[in-house]
Amino acid sequence: DGGITQSPKYLFRKEGQNVTLSCEQNLNHDAMYWYRQDPGQGLRLIYYSQIVNDFQKGDIAEGYSVSREKKESFPLTVTSAQKNPTAFYLCASSASMNINTEAFFGQGTRLTVV
Amino acid sequence: KQEVTQIPAALSVPEGENLVLNCSFTDSAIYNLQWFRQDPGKGLTSLLLIQSSQREQTSGRLNASLDKSSGRSTLYIAASQPGDSATYLCAVIGSGGGADGLTFGKGTHLIIQP
Repeated sequence: DGGITQSPKYLFRKEGQNVTLSCEQNLNHDAMYWYRQDPGQGLRLIYYSQIVNDFQKGDIAEGYSVSREKKESFPLTVTSAQKNPTAFYLCASSASMNINTEAFFGQGTRLTVV
Repeated sequence: KQEVTQIPAALSVPEGENLVLNCSFTDSAIYNLQWFRQDPGKGLTSLLLIQSSQREQTSGRLNASLDKSSGRSTLYIAASQPGDSATYLCAVIGSGGGADGLTFGKGTHLIIQP
């Protein structure tokens, strides 16, 4: 079954902790993205990666970090520097970032600070 | 910077009606436009992808049109059903690539009354 898998579905973080959200795809896509969704706002781009070992900051990268050591994996770490991390996080992938290809999304991870 | 606007923000109609959702974007230099559906607490499901050279795409009861010159797209839903209730999002991929890759509107929250 091809697709994008995000885990966990729900995640709770204590103040001052770093947490890592997992995103795995078996679509053989080059490009992967992380978005944050807050109520009443559109999706906002955190980080994106066009190819293995390369990634770029999006609009709201502060307090987040990523890695792209394997084509199929693009984990997102929410660090203690992120002041308001409670949100719904969505991972996506597409064959390429710059041509007419369809983007596919995972089922999301809801992160809550307790 | 590309901006995407969706009107209306919310819509409630009786079952069986045909309806139109609107999406507008400020920069007409786009690679493609994609319509998504999002159910509460879930990820995004791709509905239709319209490439920049195309005028429309159809899938079942859904028809999406694209007018690049005017910066507009519409999603037409025929014979609406309660199962169509969801938030509908449009997103464009700009020709600038990079962080302009996928820009989303805030969505139209659709309720189909049985």
